[in-house]
Amino acid sequence: EDQVTQSPEALRLQEGESSSLNCSYTVSGLRGLFWYRQDPGKGPEFLFTLYSAGEEKEKERLKATLTKKESFLHITAPKPEDSATYLCAVQVSGGGADGLTFGKGTHLIIQP
Amino acid sequence: ETGVTQSPTHLIKTRGQQVTLRCSSQSGHNTVSWYQQALGQGPQFIFQYYREEENGRGNFPPRFSGLQFPNYSSELNVNALELDDSALYLCASSTNRGLNEKLFFGSGTQLSVL
Repeated sequence: EDQVTQSPEALRLQEGESSSLNCSYTVSGLRGLFWYRQDPGKGPEFLFTLYSAGEEKEKERLKATLTKKESFLHITAPKPEDSATYLCAVQVSGGGADGLTFGKGTHLIIQP
Repeated sequence: ETGVTQSPTHLIKTRGQQVTLRCSSQSGHNTVSWYQQALGQGPQFIFQYYREEENGRGNFPPRFSGLQFPNYSSELNVNALELDDSALYLCASSTNRGLNEKLFFGSGTQLSVL
């Protein structure tokens, strides 16, 4: 069974304090790994897709990396507006359309 | 370009009742997926529709069913509601049938079953 585990469950940082969120996965065959951001009362918002080990993508203060077993979302010098729940999801390979398998998310709070 | 819109935003039902949730896809998107998100959990895949046909299904019973219309809008129907069906129901649209890259999510319908 495909599994996605995110850690920590919650993280509180001071503004400007850099850190990393972890997403470990166990799948039969990885088609893609996705990072989404979800604000309270809203649907997830797409951030990144990673396809193969060694791949990295950046957007503003966020950088996502991928290995064969896990992905990291690095947050550099975060601001209060980066506060949100960050969700990791995988899609597995193998015929037909399969939905994303999400982790439970990391609830990130950035204090001014 | 309009985003994904869902209605209603909130709904309260009684156990055993039936409910229909609606979703309008983002302009130009031909694929719609539905997810269930329980409190404190990540979204769980229910099913996906592509050009009006079910194109994949997660581990949900048959009382969860759906429709996609020619304009690519969609409905999620749940029969014989159970207390555990209380959750946020998310609709997401995309242009890729198989590879769910960059799903665009709506804000969801919060369903409470009493």
